[in-house]
Amino acid sequence: EIVLTQSPGTLSLSPGERATLSCRASQSVSSSYLAWYQQKPGQAPRLLIYGASSRATGIPDRFSGSGSGTDFTLTISRLEPEDFAVYYCQQYGSSPRLTFGPGTKVDIK
Amino acid sequence: QVQLVQSGAEVKKPGASVKVSCKASGYTFTSYGISWVRQAPGQGLEWMGWISAYNGNTNYAQKLQGRVTMTTDTSTSTAYMELRSLRSDDTAVYYCARDVLMVYAMLDYWGQGTLVTVSS
Repeated sequence: EIVLTQSPGTLSLSPGERATLSCRASQSVSSSYLAWYQQKPGQAPRLLIYGASSRATGIPDRFSGSGSGTDFTLTISRLEPEDFAVYYCQQYGSSPRLTFGPGTKVDIK
Repeated sequence: QVQLVQSGAEVKKPGASVKVSCKASGYTFTSYGISWVRQAPGQGLEWMGWISAYNGNTNYAQKLQGRVTMTTDTSTSTAYMELRSLRSDDTAVYYCARDVLMVYAMLDYWGQGTLVTVSS
């Protein structure tokens, strides 16, 4: 089973700053099968990035994804007030079919 | 537009069963699968399982094997998740999501969530 680890657990930043979130896999993951989600309190998760670096429909270009193999990164170039949320990485494997990382909370400093 | 609309909140006693529905619209239901994901209060996302809306094939998380059943009704474009022998640690918000596994893989649309509370 592939385990995803996200760091940091919490990231305290100010609006306008750059956020860099890390997702590390215990084994190599296909980039095509690595996604990122944003979740705000009381809401369902929302797809941000798929295929490690492709933005989902309607996602602003301040969000970008990169990485390959076991190390992946989500970058928010300039934090907007609505970006303060929890971010999860997720990968598709064989067994189990998919797993999530534990999440990184981005909160206001 | 693609929408997944889930059934309402449930309160159940330990040992009971719950069945949550997820009605899809805005796309060809049988062209995608549905994954179910749950989130306990204050916790992260936990994948529960997947069902193909095309042929009904399923793949369940090992920890839920034997307690969970996922089904679909293609005539109404609705997916169902039934969880049996409920325990207090099954208290969570349950989400359905459209599961895309093609060149890329993702959960691209999500239902609004269904709160299931297990309490005596």
